[in-house]
Amino acid sequence: GDSVTQMEGPVTLSEEAFLTINCTYTATGYPSLFWYVQYPGEGLQLLLKATKADDKGSNKGFEATYRKETTSFHLEKGSVQVSDSAVYFCALRKETSGSRLTFGEGTQLTVNP
Amino acid sequence: DTEVTQTPKHLVMGMTNKKSLKCEQHMGHRAMYWYKQKAKKPPELMFVYSYEKLSINESVPSRFSPECPNSSLLNLHLHALQPEDSALYLCASSQNVLSGNTIYFGEGSWLTVV
Repeated sequence: GDSVTQMEGPVTLSEEAFLTINCTYTATGYPSLFWYVQYPGEGLQLLLKATKADDKGSNKGFEATYRKETTSFHLEKGSVQVSDSAVYFCALRKETSGSRLTFGEGTQLTVNP
Repeated sequence: DTEVTQTPKHLVMGMTNKKSLKCEQHMGHRAMYWYKQKAKKPPELMFVYSYEKLSINESVPSRFSPECPNSSLLNLHLHALQPEDSALYLCASSQNVLSGNTIYFGEGSWLTVV
């Protein structure tokens, strides 16, 4: 079945450091890929998405490129802030799996001042 | 405005109580979802409604009963829950069930069963 694998957390960085959170997926066909962020005590917010190979999603300084050849969708940000501290979920969605979002396990990010 | 509104934000109920969680969206979305999230885990899909009809039930116990009164509203009726049902319950919506559509989540309802 479909699956998403994220790098294990927690990840702790200093403010202004470079962030990479790895995400790889296993799926047949052509899934759409998403990054969601969950701040403490809140629901999930869409951070960015890509619906086809080589698409780059970007938002709030975060970027991720849909790489079909490596089945990856790594999240990057050039300079993190304390306010970026949250849990980040990579997810995929496919037509043939109905409406299901398949999530990775999540990566906890803590940014220290 | 990409907003899904859930009430109540917090709910404490006994194992013999009957309560309901409510969800509302005014984005014209025709697909609505209930997810359950336990601490430090990703959300798990419970139910999907497409055009007000239940299209997916992920083998959820019958003590959880969803209802979609109209295209903007989604309820989750709770009865005879167990302590292990304590979790964050997330409502979500999307334009339709096609895979490229973004699923927008609400802030969630924190449920504690005592």
